[in-house]
Amino acid sequence: QVQLVQSGAEVKKPGASVKVSCKTSGYIFTDYSIHWVRQAPGQRLEWMGWVNGVTGNTVYSQKFQDRVTMTRDTSASAAYMELSSLTSEDTALYYCARVLSGTGYYDSWGRGTLVIVSS
Amino acid sequence: DIVMTQSPDSLAVSLGERATIDCKSSQIILDSSNNKTSLAWYQQRPGQPPNLLIYWASTRESGVPDRFSGSGSGTDFTLTISSLQAEDVAVYYCHQYSTVPRTFGQGTKVEIK
Repeated sequence: QVQLVQSGAEVKKPGASVKVSCKTSGYIFTDYSIHWVRQAPGQRLEWMGWVNGVTGNTVYSQKFQDRVTMTRDTSASAAYMELSSLTSEDTALYYCARVLSGTGYYDSWGRGTLVIVSS
Repeated sequence: DIVMTQSPDSLAVSLGERATIDCKSSQIILDSSNNKTSLAWYQQRPGQPPNLLIYWASTRESGVPDRFSGSGSGTDFTLTISSLQAEDVAVYYCHQYSTVPRTFGQGTKVEIK
């Protein structure tokens, strides 16, 4: 079955970086892109960007453009999201989700990675 | 950015009764390549990731009970739960995937009355 397994929770200090992984299985990795969506406490879901499974091309939200990097490793069927210059406002649950090429909706999600930014 | 606004923020419905959630987009969210409306609905139960219910505004995802239906066009959309069950207690989100940045509604919390 389709699985998106994310890395474990992280606690970071302000100014640090965090890298979250999303390891997939049960489907052809390159048929999909991987999107990253975060959910801060009490806030709505917030889209951060995506990485194309085939090309590795990325599209980022302007909000995160300067400090986010999304990559993928086709040999490992995995995607990664690195966010730098963390502040307390980055404390959130970070989800990866897959999107079939030509669509746009998220038909499978990881369980989320909690990132806490605290001094 | 396209703003997605849901109403109400929360609602309490008796078991077996109908629940209706509205979602309004600030712009038309049409995919010009296929002339379909780029709107999805997700259910998020406590402690779980969102789960896809509806896409292209009205297409039910495989495995989703048929008591869930989506409707609407242009900028106004509705998610209907025809007969609320206990397991439907959750937060529901609409989502537009027409343009970048992708955006979500603020969520509607559904509870049992």
